[in-house]
Amino acid sequence: EAEVAQSPRYKITEKSQAVAFWCDPISGHATLYWYRQILGQGPELLVQFQDESVVDDSQLPKDRFSAERLKGVDSTLKIQPAELGDSAMYLCASSLVTGHSYEQYFGPGTRLTVT
Amino acid sequence: AQKVTQAQTEISVVEKEDVTLDCVYETRDTTYYLFWYKQPPSGELVFLIRRNSFDEQNEISGRYSWNFQKSTSSFNFTITASQVVDSAVYFCALSEASHSNYQLIWGAGTKLIIKP
Repeated sequence: EAEVAQSPRYKITEKSQAVAFWCDPISGHATLYWYRQILGQGPELLVQFQDESVVDDSQLPKDRFSAERLKGVDSTLKIQPAELGDSAMYLCASSLVTGHSYEQYFGPGTRLTVT
Repeated sequence: AQKVTQAQTEISVVEKEDVTLDCVYETRDTTYYLFWYKQPPSGELVFLIRRNSFDEQNEISGRYSWNFQKSTSSFNFTITASQVVDSAVYFCALSEASHSNYQLIWGAGTKLIIKP
């Protein structure tokens, strides 16, 4: 069964350092999402791609976060510099197309700890 | 205003008991979709079900069943004969046709603990 791949699964970094996460969506899925999830809360959308284009990054803290999906397949989310408040689970999801009838499939996530 | 409410923060039951997780939503759209996801301790969100607003038929999948009632804006999830492996956080989510880019609006989740 096709899955969304993410790496690394765990990351510990010191504040002010740079950190990057990678996501490979299910093959053929045009829409890719990056979420941040703080313990005890639901996921918060950071950025949404349709193919290689950003369709929504309104919740992305653009002073320190950046995301790209250069060839419309895999994607990278970067934080520079990391802050203590960035400690969270970062989830990647993909769906066949953008549309409210299409379910999103999630990867295993990257648990980030900033010290 | 929160559009998806999961009032039960945490539920604890003994294995083999039946348990119902509540989800109440708010929307002005006539076309919308409702979802349930499971998040086990490993962290990955697992898709369970999607229901569109025009289909109020209840759905059963093994020990899982879903009751969709538009009259009360609820989409409740029942696990019959619960098992320890059902322990997880369960999220209900809403997608509205009028919402830009069809983004999911998530509830806060219900933590389900199944005791052996």
